[in-house]
Amino acid sequence: DTGVSQDPRHKITKRGQNVTFRCDPISEHNRLYWYRQTLGQGPEFLTYFQNEAQLEKSRLLSDRFSAERPKGSFSTLEIQRTEQGDSAMYLCASSINRLAGGRSGELFFGEGSRLTVL
Amino acid sequence: RKEVEQDPGPFNVPEGATVAFNCTYSNSASQSFFWYRQDCRKEPKLLMSVYSSGNEDGRFTAQLNRASQYISLLIRDSKLSDSATYLCVVNSPLRDGAGTASKLTFGTGTRLQVTL
Repeated sequence: DTGVSQDPRHKITKRGQNVTFRCDPISEHNRLYWYRQTLGQGPEFLTYFQNEAQLEKSRLLSDRFSAERPKGSFSTLEIQRTEQGDSAMYLCASSINRLAGGRSGELFFGEGSRLTVL
Repeated sequence: RKEVEQDPGPFNVPEGATVAFNCTYSNSASQSFFWYRQDCRKEPKLLMSVYSSGNEDGRFTAQLNRASQYISLLIRDSKLSDSATYLCVVNSPLRDGAGTASKLTFGTGTRLQVTL
């Protein structure tokens, strides 16, 4: 399978614990995004990487959230001191720019990591 | 006010019906527009882009009115397999030096249920 993969698919944790999600984008994609989705809502933008550089962070991303993409390939999203309001599906997506043959506006999403904070 | 607004539905229509979804966006600097489809418990996938001149892809027609900041999606001869959530998506530029990266802002989605 050469799509975007995310791990773990499901995570249940107690309030106050730290969690980390991993995303492996499509190998030739230089752009990587993290979104969060809750029931009945569309995906909300969290952050964006071009190669290893984090170029945009949403105000939704509090100080408890940190994302990295150290070698410009896989990415991790860590949530420290989780709160019940962090319960959501965390979606990773990747894309390639149009000059490299990408289709405008097309993000390829992984199946997501569902977080439940008790 | 949300950057992208949609009626969440659900829209319940019989097979073969024509159904239309609307969407409004607030950022007049938005550059491009899309419809994504999301099946239950699945990830979103690009359905089609939306152009000012209007565009068609089989049974699907998308329209954009920049002056009114309004986007629409029309589905003709709906099929059971069209049942899904349709997400209106607006593209705004990100700072990436080359000026070509996009931040896609999603609406809440409109749920469509096609029945026999």
